[in-house]
Parts: sequence; C-alpha cells; structure tokens
Amino acid sequence: ETGVTQSPTHLIKTRGQQVTLRCSSQSGHNTVSWYQQALGQGPQFIFQYYREEENGRGNFPPRFSGLQFPNYSSELNVNALELDDSALYLCASSLAVGTVSGANVLTFGAGSRLTVL
Amino acid sequence: SQQGEEDPQALSIQEGENATMNCSYKTSINNLQWYRQNSGRGLVHLILIRSNEREKHSGRLRVTLDTSKKSSSLLITASRAADTASYFCATVPISSGSARQLTFGSGTQLTVLP
Repeated sequence: ETGVTQSPTHLIKTRGQQVTLRCSSQSGHNTVSWYQQALGQGPQFIFQYYREEENGRGNFPPRFSGLQFPNYSSELNVNALELDDSALYLCASSLAVGTVSGANVLTFGAGSRLTVL
Repeated sequence: SQQGEEDPQALSIQEGENATMNCSYKTSINNLQWYRQNSGRGLVHLILIRSNEREKHSGRLRVTLDTSKKSSSLLITASRAADTASYFCATVPISSGSARQLTFGSGTQLTVLP
C-alpha cells in the first residue's frame, strides 16, 4: 500500500506566473483535499474533491482551482501567482465522503513548497 | 481563518517528562483530531476523539475533550527526543456538511531535550 505522493517537492516561480501541483492518493482512498500552510501557521483548507467534482471550498479566490482524475489523483492549479502564495501546499487523501463513519481522517503527502518571487 | 488555537505556542521539556498541549475551538464539532508534523513536512494523524467521547488513549497519548468548554488536551507521557515536532488539533465542524473538512489550529512546537 503506497501513501500520498506529491510533486514537485520544491519550486520557485515569479509573480503572475501559473503553477500546477500534483498528488497521488493513498490506495483505496476516494477523496482528496488540498491545504495551504504558511510558515509558522496551521494548514488552511483550500478545497476537496470527490468523484472528480469539487466538494467543499475554503476561503480562497477562484484563481485556485483543481482537478481529480478517475484514479483519484489530483492537481492544484494556481494562476496569477502572488507573493503571499508562497507556502507549503499539502495534499491529503481520505476515505470519508460516502462512508457511514465519515470521520475524515487524513493521510497527508510530504508537501510541495512553493516560493513566489 | 483558524478554528482552533493551541496553547502553549511552544513547549520545551526534558526527555522522560510529560507534555501537555491544549486546544480551544469555536464551533460545534463532529470530532476532534490531533496531528503531528516534523520540520514542515506532511502531517501524521495521531488520534481522533468524537464529540460524544470525553477521553481516549493510544499508547503514550491521552486526549480529553470538553465540548461544554470547547477545548481539548493532548498528553504525551514519558516523552522522547523523537517526539520533537509541531502538534496540531483539527476539528470537523458540524457546519462543514458532506465535505467534513478539517479546520486546523495554529500548532504547538514541542521540543524534547535529551
């Protein structure tokens, strides 16, 4: 059983550019969530995908968008990058939506650290 | 915005001592979870306590939940240097709907000195 893998691990972009981050879910998980973690802060919920559709969104602008694929892997896209987008982006998978228990225990990847100059 | 706030923000103890971290949150919840993060990497789930539970144990971890005070505590007994990490509480608000997204606090940085 493999865990959650994210790529790339580090990247540097300049303001105004676009970035795509990728995530492979843990085997057997059907739900992917993305979080942004600024330095010294807790993770902030960006959005969640279930059955290839957005299933909940945090307080992030539309330039943050995502995709989930039939194999449950996912992408996070950020357009028109701003300096404040510099952060660790965490992908987490779970088997929660549609299950009876619904506890939503997350399995996190190691993250993609984005620096915007 | 952060749902929860951990207290203290930083804690330094000697190996073998117990470490207690507290978490307060704002809204009614389905459950509360504690996660650990090493050096800005991915978070690891430690323990979950449901809103109708008051205490839970897992190995050297003990979690309590007081829904009337909207607070929780995490106790790590007989700490080890390897316990050095940031610890976050995370809640699933009742208002989160089918997404049941976790809302994290700001974390406690625990340092265990050998």
